[in-house]
Amino acid sequence: GIQVEQSPPDLILQEGANSTLRCNFSDSVNNLQWFHQNPWGQLINLFYIPSGTKQNGRLSATTVATERYSLLYISSSQTTDSGVYFCAVERVLPGNQFYFGTGTSLTVIP
Amino acid sequence: EAGVAQSPRYKIIEKRQSVAFWCNPISGHATLYWYQQILGQGPKLLIQFQNNGVVDDSQLPKDRFSAERLKGVDSTLKIQPAKLEDSAVYLCASSFLFGTASYEQYFGPGTRLTVT
Repeated sequence: GIQVEQSPPDLILQEGANSTLRCNFSDSVNNLQWFHQNPWGQLINLFYIPSGTKQNGRLSATTVATERYSLLYISSSQTTDSGVYFCAVERVLPGNQFYFGTGTSLTVIP
Repeated sequence: EAGVAQSPRYKIIEKRQSVAFWCNPISGHATLYWYQQILGQGPKLLIQFQNNGVVDDSQLPKDRFSAERLKGVDSTLKIQPAKLEDSAVYLCASSFLFGTASYEQYFGPGTRLTVT
Protein backbone atom coordinates (compact mmCIF):
# COMPACT_ATOMS: atom_id res chain seq x y z
CA GLY A 1 0.00 0.00 0.00
CA ILE A 2 0.86 3.68 0.04
CA GLN A 3 2.65 5.23 3.03
CA VAL A 4 1.13 8.52 4.14
CA GLU A 5 3.09 10.58 6.64
CA GLN A 6 1.86 13.75 8.27
CA SER A 7 3.83 16.35 10.14
CA PRO A 8 3.99 17.63 12.73
CA PRO A 9 2.22 14.96 14.81
CA ASP A 10 1.21 17.53 17.44
CA LEU A 11 0.86 21.29 17.30
CA ILE A 12 -0.12 23.85 19.93
CA LEU A 13 -0.98 27.36 18.75
CA GLN A 14 -2.01 30.59 20.33
CA GLU A 15 -5.31 31.85 18.95
CA GLY A 16 -4.66 34.06 15.93
CA ALA A 17 -1.47 32.30 14.86
CA ASN A 18 -0.91 30.70 11.45
CA SER A 19 0.21 27.14 10.77
CA THR A 20 1.18 24.75 7.98
CA LEU A 21 0.46 21.04 8.07
CA ARG A 22 2.21 18.67 5.69
CA CYS A 23 1.23 15.36 4.09
CA ASN A 24 3.80 13.24 2.23
CA PHE A 25 2.83 10.15 0.27
CA SER A 26 4.97 7.40 -1.18
CA ASP A 27 3.38 6.72 -4.56
CA SER A 28 1.25 8.20 -7.33
CA VAL A 29 -2.30 8.99 -6.29
CA ASN A 30 -5.58 9.78 -8.02
CA ASN A 31 -7.10 11.87 -5.29
CA LEU A 32 -6.27 13.55 -2.03
CA GLN A 33 -8.57 14.82 0.68
CA TRP A 34 -8.02 16.81 3.87
CA PHE A 35 -10.32 16.19 6.82
CA HIS A 36 -10.81 17.75 10.24
CA GLN A 37 -11.90 15.32 12.97
CA ASN A 38 -13.61 17.33 15.66
CA PRO A 39 -13.57 16.42 19.36
CA TRP A 40 -16.80 14.45 18.88
CA GLY A 41 -15.15 12.23 16.28
CA GLN A 42 -16.94 13.53 13.18
CA LEU A 43 -14.77 13.68 10.07
CA ILE A 44 -15.46 16.89 8.21
CA ASN A 45 -14.39 17.43 4.62
CA LEU A 46 -12.04 20.35 4.18
CA PHE A 47 -10.64 19.94 0.69
CA TYR A 48 -10.77 17.53 -2.21
CA ILE A 49 -7.50 18.46 -3.91
CA PRO A 50 -5.71 15.95 -6.17
CA SER A 51 -3.57 18.82 -7.50
CA GLY A 52 -3.27 22.58 -7.43
CA THR A 53 -4.39 25.09 -4.82
CA LYS A 54 -7.77 25.75 -3.22
CA GLN A 55 -8.92 28.21 -0.60
CA ASN A 56 -11.90 28.23 1.71
CA GLY A 57 -12.00 31.12 4.13
CA ARG A 58 -9.08 30.93 6.52
CA LEU A 59 -8.00 27.56 5.16
CA SER A 60 -6.15 26.79 1.98
CA ALA A 61 -4.46 23.71 0.56
CA THR A 62 -1.88 22.96 -2.07
CA THR A 63 -1.06 19.58 -3.60
CA VAL A 64 2.03 18.99 -5.72
CA ALA A 65 1.29 15.53 -7.03
CA THR A 66 4.54 15.19 -8.98
CA GLU A 67 6.52 15.71 -5.76
CA ARG A 68 4.08 13.65 -3.66
CA TYR A 69 3.09 16.12 -0.99
CA SER A 70 0.25 18.35 0.10
CA LEU A 71 0.11 21.30 2.48
CA LEU A 72 -2.78 22.62 4.56
CA TYR A 73 -2.56 26.24 5.70
CA ILE A 74 -4.56 27.55 8.61
CA SER A 75 -4.50 31.30 9.11
CA SER A 76 -5.72 33.29 12.11
CA SER A 77 -6.42 30.10 14.03
CA GLN A 78 -9.45 29.87 16.34
CA THR A 79 -10.18 27.53 19.23
CA THR A 80 -12.77 25.79 17.06
CA ASP A 81 -9.93 24.70 14.75
CA SER A 82 -8.75 22.28 17.47
CA GLY A 83 -8.92 18.60 16.62
CA VAL A 84 -7.07 16.15 14.42
CA TYR A 85 -6.33 16.86 10.78
CA PHE A 86 -6.02 13.91 8.41
CA CYS A 87 -5.04 13.64 4.81
CA ALA A 88 -6.22 10.65 2.81
CA VAL A 89 -4.95 9.57 -0.59
CA GLU A 90 -6.51 7.33 -3.19
CA ARG A 91 -4.02 5.13 -4.95
CA VAL A 92 -3.98 4.61 -8.67
CA LEU A 93 -5.68 1.38 -9.79
CA PRO A 94 -6.27 -1.35 -8.80
CA GLY A 95 -9.05 -0.88 -6.29
CA ASN A 96 -9.03 2.91 -5.83
CA GLN A 97 -8.29 2.27 -2.16
CA PHE A 98 -7.96 5.20 0.23
CA TYR A 99 -5.12 5.42 2.75
CA PHE A 100 -5.20 7.77 5.71
CA GLY A 101 -2.23 9.47 7.27
CA THR A 102 -1.41 9.35 10.96
CA GLY A 103 -2.88 12.78 11.59
CA THR A 104 -1.80 16.09 13.12
CA SER A 105 -3.35 16.90 16.48
CA LEU A 106 -3.93 20.65 16.73
CA THR A 107 -4.72 22.50 19.94
CA VAL A 108 -5.52 26.20 19.74
CA ILE A 109 -5.39 27.97 23.08
CA PRO A 110 -7.14 31.28 23.73
CA GLU B 1 -28.97 16.95 1.23
CA ALA B 2 -29.03 14.26 3.92
CA GLY B 3 -25.65 13.00 5.05
CA VAL B 4 -24.40 9.48 5.69
CA ALA B 5 -26.48 7.83 8.42
CA GLN B 6 -25.15 5.21 10.83
CA SER B 7 -26.66 3.29 13.70
CA PRO B 8 -26.27 2.59 16.50
CA ARG B 9 -24.05 5.43 17.70
CA TYR B 10 -22.72 3.46 20.65
CA LYS B 11 -22.55 -0.23 21.49
CA ILE B 12 -21.10 -2.13 24.43
CA ILE B 13 -20.82 -5.91 24.19
CA GLU B 14 -18.88 -8.69 25.88
CA LYS B 15 -16.16 -10.56 24.04
CA ARG B 16 -17.37 -13.48 21.94
CA GLN B 17 -20.73 -11.80 21.38
CA SER B 18 -21.83 -10.63 17.94
CA VAL B 19 -22.72 -7.12 16.80
CA ALA B 20 -23.99 -5.45 13.63
CA PHE B 21 -23.70 -1.90 12.36
CA TRP B 22 -25.86 -0.24 9.73
CA CYS B 23 -25.03 2.47 7.22
CA ASN B 24 -27.17 4.39 4.75
CA PRO B 25 -25.06 6.40 2.27
CA ILE B 26 -25.87 9.71 0.61
CA SER B 27 -28.48 9.22 -2.09
CA GLY B 28 -26.89 8.51 -5.47
CA HIS B 29 -23.49 7.53 -4.06
CA ALA B 30 -22.52 4.21 -5.59
CA THR B 31 -19.32 3.75 -3.58
CA LEU B 32 -19.54 2.84 0.09
CA TYR B 33 -16.66 2.34 2.52
CA TRP B 34 -16.35 0.87 6.01
CA TYR B 35 -13.41 2.01 8.13
CA GLN B 36 -12.13 1.03 11.56
CA GLN B 37 -10.56 3.78 13.66
CA ILE B 38 -8.69 2.72 16.77
CA LEU B 39 -8.08 5.43 19.35
CA GLY B 40 -5.11 7.60 18.39
CA GLN B 41 -4.85 6.28 14.84
CA GLY B 42 -6.13 7.21 11.42
CA PRO B 43 -9.07 5.33 9.90
CA LYS B 44 -8.21 2.00 8.27
CA LEU B 45 -10.26 0.82 5.31
CA LEU B 46 -11.98 -2.52 5.96
CA ILE B 47 -14.09 -2.92 2.84
CA GLN B 48 -15.15 -0.90 -0.20
CA PHE B 49 -18.26 -1.51 -2.31
CA GLN B 50 -19.17 -0.16 -5.71
CA ASN B 51 -22.92 -0.62 -6.00
CA ASN B 52 -23.42 -4.09 -4.49
CA GLY B 53 -20.02 -5.51 -5.51
CA VAL B 54 -16.89 -5.65 -3.36
CA VAL B 55 -13.97 -3.65 -4.78
CA ASP B 56 -11.51 -4.23 -1.94
CA ASP B 57 -11.71 -6.23 1.27
CA SER B 58 -8.02 -7.00 1.68
CA GLN B 59 -7.89 -5.60 5.23
CA LEU B 60 -11.13 -7.16 6.46
CA PRO B 61 -10.52 -9.93 9.05
CA LYS B 62 -12.76 -12.38 7.27
CA ASP B 63 -12.71 -14.99 10.00
CA ARG B 64 -14.87 -12.70 12.15
CA PHE B 65 -15.97 -9.72 10.09
CA SER B 66 -18.51 -9.72 7.28
CA ALA B 67 -20.25 -7.00 5.31
CA GLU B 68 -22.98 -6.86 2.73
CA ARG B 69 -24.69 -4.32 0.51
CA LEU B 70 -27.41 -6.40 -1.06
CA LYS B 71 -29.38 -3.80 -3.01
CA GLY B 72 -26.51 -1.40 -3.68
CA VAL B 73 -27.80 1.14 -1.16
CA ASP B 74 -27.50 0.57 2.58
CA SER B 75 -24.94 -1.75 4.12
CA THR B 76 -24.39 -3.85 7.22
CA LEU B 77 -21.07 -4.69 8.88
CA LYS B 78 -21.06 -7.61 11.33
CA ILE B 79 -18.52 -8.89 13.83
CA GLN B 80 -18.90 -12.43 15.14
CA PRO B 81 -17.39 -13.25 17.59
CA ALA B 82 -16.02 -9.95 18.91
CA LYS B 83 -12.59 -9.65 20.52
CA LEU B 84 -11.26 -7.03 22.90
CA GLU B 85 -9.10 -5.56 20.12
CA ASP B 86 -12.21 -4.80 18.06
CA SER B 87 -12.97 -1.88 20.37
CA ALA B 88 -12.89 1.08 17.99
CA VAL B 89 -15.05 3.53 16.08
CA TYR B 90 -16.54 2.08 12.91
CA LEU B 91 -16.99 4.72 10.25
CA CYS B 92 -19.02 4.52 7.09
CA ALA B 93 -18.36 6.81 4.14
CA SER B 94 -19.78 7.18 0.64
CA SER B 95 -18.75 8.86 -2.58
CA PHE B 96 -20.09 9.52 -6.04
CA LEU B 97 -18.85 7.20 -8.77
CA PHE B 98 -18.21 8.43 -12.32
CA GLY B 99 -16.99 5.68 -14.61
CA THR B 100 -14.36 3.98 -12.50
CA ALA B 101 -13.35 7.07 -10.56
CA SER B 102 -14.64 7.75 -7.06
CA TYR B 103 -14.86 11.31 -5.86
CA GLU B 104 -14.66 12.89 -2.44
CA GLN B 105 -15.76 10.82 0.49
CA TYR B 106 -18.36 11.92 3.01
CA PHE B 107 -18.37 10.31 6.44
CA GLY B 108 -21.11 9.37 8.84
CA PRO B 109 -20.90 10.03 12.60
CA GLY B 110 -19.54 6.57 13.36
CA THR B 111 -20.42 3.80 15.80
CA ARG B 112 -18.28 3.57 18.93
CA LEU B 113 -17.87 -0.09 19.90
CA THR B 114 -16.58 -1.16 23.29
CA VAL B 115 -15.83 -4.84 23.83
CA THR B 116 -15.47 -5.86 27.49
